[in-house]
Amino acid sequence: DAMVIQNPRYQVTQFGKPVTLSCSQTLNHNVMYWYQQKSSQAPKLLFHYYDKDFNNEADTPDNFQSRRPNTSFCFLDIRSPGLGDAAMYLCATSAGKTLAYEQYFGPGTRLTVT
Amino acid sequence: GENVEQHPSTLSVQEGDSAVIKCTYSDSASNYFPWYKQELGKRPQLIIDIRSNVGEKKDQRIAVTLNKTAKHFSLHITETQPEDSAVYFCAASVRTGANNLFFGTGTRLTVIP
Repeated sequence: DAMVIQNPRYQVTQFGKPVTLSCSQTLNHNVMYWYQQKSSQAPKLLFHYYDKDFNNEADTPDNFQSRRPNTSFCFLDIRSPGLGDAAMYLCATSAGKTLAYEQYFGPGTRLTVT
Repeated sequence: GENVEQHPSTLSVQEGDSAVIKCTYSDSASNYFPWYKQELGKRPQLIIDIRSNVGEKKDQRIAVTLNKTAKHFSLHITETQPEDSAVYFCAASVRTGANNLFFGTGTRLTVIP
């Protein structure tokens, strides 16, 4: 059964046109993360939610925002996508309140900016 | 913040040989070190991890060693098979409540049949 689900798997948007990527989880994990992975590079953490608490990485551009309306869902909003934002966006979850360390990744959404 | 370096960037081995990938980290507070395997266009998959209170961990053909004093850790794959070919990422984190992973730059492993 899918544990971390991302929709859509492929997204094409126009330069400057806002876009939202979706992530859901069936694990009831406290923490949800968003990573950006550009071609042939490592995943780079953008931000995470611990329950409802939002934690932004210092070098994440303001153009990237996130929402977590409930435990299961988390959204990544890119307000004005640029060509440099084309990447794979990975959502991940982990159980914050237990001794479990593992992070579970979704399949990713590949974003193309035209 | 944490800085993780990974070497080599590419590695080719003959089937059946061993492969070793090395990483160093900068934050002495890091306490969790996972290794991920990523095939082209797919999600990273955890293959093994180690916590800072352990020096070595093994799972069948895969082992990881950690040297906290030197702040480096290594992945060892023995008896490599063509299906081991992929990009491997090391990562480090200070696991408190959240578990923010900081990844190395990746190693593209090719196992030649």
